[in-house]
Parts: sequence; C-alpha cells; structure tokens
Amino acid sequence: GAVVSQHPSRVICKSGTSVKIECRSLDFQATTMFWYRQFPKQSLMLMATSNEGSKATYEQGVEKDKFLINHASLTLSTLTVTSAHPEDSSFYICSARDQYRTNSPLHFGNGTRLTVT
Amino acid sequence: EDQVTQSPEALRLQEGESSSLNCSYTVSGLRGLFWYRQDPGKGPEFLFTLYSAGEEKEKERLKATLTKKESFLHITAPKPEDSATYLCAVQSFESNNAGNMLTFGGGTRLMVKP
Repeated sequence: GAVVSQHPSRVICKSGTSVKIECRSLDFQATTMFWYRQFPKQSLMLMATSNEGSKATYEQGVEKDKFLINHASLTLSTLTVTSAHPEDSSFYICSARDQYRTNSPLHFGNGTRLTVT
Repeated sequence: EDQVTQSPEALRLQEGESSSLNCSYTVSGLRGLFWYRQDPGKGPEFLFTLYSAGEEKEKERLKATLTKKESFLHITAPKPEDSATYLCAVQSFESNNAGNMLTFGGGTRLMVKP
C-alpha cells in the first residue's frame, strides 16, 4: 500500500531556531500533500496544503511566514518552522494520496514531535 | 462548513465486550467518510472508506456502517490491542485541492482492558 515517510520523528530545538520536517511519498507521486498539527488529546487540524511547483495554501490563522512549505518534487514536501517558540511545540503530521489510483485514501506519515525549549 | 462530531470521547471496555463508536457529520455533498486508527505518537492508519448510505465495510473485529447523517464503527469482541484513538473524517465534493481535504472529528479514545 501507499507509504508516507516523515523525518525526523522527534526534534528538540532552542527557542529562536528553525526546524525542517520532511515528508516523502515512497511508492507513489503526489502533487498535493497536507500538513496537519495535533495537540495532546485533540484531533488533527489542517495547517496548509502543499502544492508541487506552486505556492502552498494556508488555513486561516496559520502564519505563512512562520511555517514555510516547499514542495519541490512529486514525492517530497518540507515544512520549516522558523524562529520556533515554545508554543510551536506540537505533533506535526503530513499526508498524501496516490493521485493515480482512483479513490485512494489519504495516507499519513508517522508524525514529528517538535519540542521547543 | 463541514462538521464532524465523534462520541463518546473516551470508551473503556473489557476484553470481549462489543460496542460501537459514533461519528455524526454535516457536509454539503459527501464524497467519502473515512475511519482511521491512531496509536499514541503515531500518524493515523487508514481503516475504511464509505461512500454512500447503506454501505458497510469489515476488517477483522471492526465493521463500519454509514447513513446520511452518521457512521458507526462497531467493534466485536475487542482485544487489548484494539486500544487506540479512532478518528472519523469526511471529504466533500466542495473541498479544495481536488477534493483531497479531510475534516476530522475529535476522535474516540478506546481502551480495552484484559
């Protein structure tokens, strides 16, 4: 089945630094990937939609200058948390679907636990 | 705006005690309803997609059903390894990005005790 790989799984950084998270579709191509954020015991909240070869689409309330998204190829999207602060600590999850398979569901990566100290 | 509400928020069962999880939704044109399982510290794992009222899908001890307003995830004779958070999500025909966007419910945390 379709596999989405996310790296790193955990990262601890100091306040003010930037962190890059990678999301790869391993056995399929995806022109669109989705970035979600999840707080403890809460559901997934869509942050932005990553579009290959064009600008990302951000949900209301998500700062595009803080959460930089790059979708450089059909199998890779990156999310960079710039000038991270403790309130950015969260679980970030990416997802994608196999666009060439009819009715293929969204598959998710295993998430990245970001802790900003 | 699409809305998804899951109940209960948490459910504790004894091993073998069957039960059902509820997912109520409002959507302008349902493209699909999805069930995912999420273990702590992991991303959601796809379980089922349901497309139309009356449809049912089964996988091991799990069975998902769909009506025009809600979906149920029935768990028959659960085992401790079924403990996880179960997420329901909907996709509408009016979703952005070629209809790929999902709206998630808050999830049901299931705990099955041996």
